[in-house]
Amino acid sequence: SQTIHQWPATLVQPVGSPLSLECTVEGTSNPNLYWYRQAAGRGLQLLFYSVGIGQISSEVPQNLSASRPQDRQFILSSKKLLLSDSGFYLCAWSTGGNQPQHFGDGTRLSIL
Amino acid sequence: AQSVTQLGSHVSVSEGALVLLRCNYSSSVPPYLFWYVQYPNQGLQLLLKYTSAATLVKGINGFEAEFKKSETSFHLTKPSAHMSDAAEYFCAVSVPESSASKIIFGSGTRLSIRP
Repeated sequence: SQTIHQWPATLVQPVGSPLSLECTVEGTSNPNLYWYRQAAGRGLQLLFYSVGIGQISSEVPQNLSASRPQDRQFILSSKKLLLSDSGFYLCAWSTGGNQPQHFGDGTRLSIL
Repeated sequence: AQSVTQLGSHVSVSEGALVLLRCNYSSSVPPYLFWYVQYPNQGLQLLLKYTSAATLVKGINGFEAEFKKSETSFHLTKPSAHMSDAAEYFCAVSVPESSASKIIFGSGTRLSIRP
């Protein structure tokens, strides 16, 4: 069966520090991968998605970037964090078409 | 363009009572619809999906949803609420023209269960 792992579960970072969140999927090949952000009490905002290695699409301009160095690895990064980057970050995968997305357990990011 | 609207940001029911969470969709093509549940500090878990095979869809944890094309609705129900059902629920619709299988999520409904 397929599984998705995100880490770390929680992270506290100072303003201006770098960020790297990692997501890996097991049990499937060539998945579509997604990064979402969920602000407190808000819905989900799609940040990035990828349909293959090295292929990244950005949904909104922001202080973050994403990379897909391997088929089942998706990384969310920032060179300098802003206070507004705080939130709950979720990674998801899908087999494509009209199939549902499947989510990891998320990373709670707090910026001080 | 695809969209979903969840009516009621917060729903409160008594334990044992019927749960009804409302979702209306807008889609230019026959839609693929989903309900997800999110418990505090966790990711989203797929409850059920509608893929045009049957209008009444049964999901996990005793939930079901009925697709009504005439009403453009996909409401989520459960006959008898349990305390463990307290969570945030999201209705979602797939974006068919997207090769990346993008999904549009509603704003969510927080379900509270009164003892």
